[in-house]
Amino acid sequence: AQTVTQSQPEMSVQEAETVTLSCTYDTSESDYYLFWYKQPPSRQMILVIRQEAYKQQNATENRFSVNFQKAAKSFSLKISDSQLGDAAMYFCAYRSAGDTDKLIFGTGTRLQVFP
Amino acid sequence: NAGVTQTPKFQVLKTGQSMTLQCAQDMNHNSMYWYRQDPGMGLRLIYYSASEGTTDKGEVPNGYNVSRLNKREFSLRLESAAPSQTSVYFCASSLSYSGNTIYFGEGSWLTVV
Repeated sequence: AQTVTQSQPEMSVQEAETVTLSCTYDTSESDYYLFWYKQPPSRQMILVIRQEAYKQQNATENRFSVNFQKAAKSFSLKISDSQLGDAAMYFCAYRSAGDTDKLIFGTGTRLQVFP
Repeated sequence: NAGVTQTPKFQVLKTGQSMTLQCAQDMNHNSMYWYRQDPGMGLRLIYYSASEGTTDKGEVPNGYNVSRLNKREFSLRLESAAPSQTSVYFCASSLSYSGNTIYFGEGSWLTVV
């Protein structure tokens, strides 16, 4: 069974600085998708970024980028130029290619942003 | 831009009562899902529906039933609520399987006393 591990329960960063959130996963599959979701205090789940495992190039979305290391089964999220609005829970998630159900979440990392 | 809409947003139930959480999406998505989120945990899949007319169990299906009423709507029913079902429930949908992004509703806060 696939698992997703986020080993940092909490992280903090100063406004305008850069922070990296870690995520590792375990799978025997070769084709899959990885996601980072943001959950602010409102509890809404907001997609931040996604990565296809078959792509070697790391995904980027404005200030958000990932470091995808397939062999190491690592998928970290880098937030550049952090803003107060980035403060939230961040969840890493794994989804099998071809399955309809398996969006598997990590336990999340709470990010605090200090002015 | 409604996306995925859930009702109710908040509900307090007594142990043993029943209730149904409603979910509708307007994105013409094939697949729909129900997740629960407990404090300090990620989301866990309760049930999902790959397409209209089909439903399957997820990781934590016990104590729940679902109905895929049509392509737009997917409801979650608690037949006899228990305190262990106190949680935040999320409905979600995606265009199809195989890696398409899953979009979430805003969540329904359920407390069972």
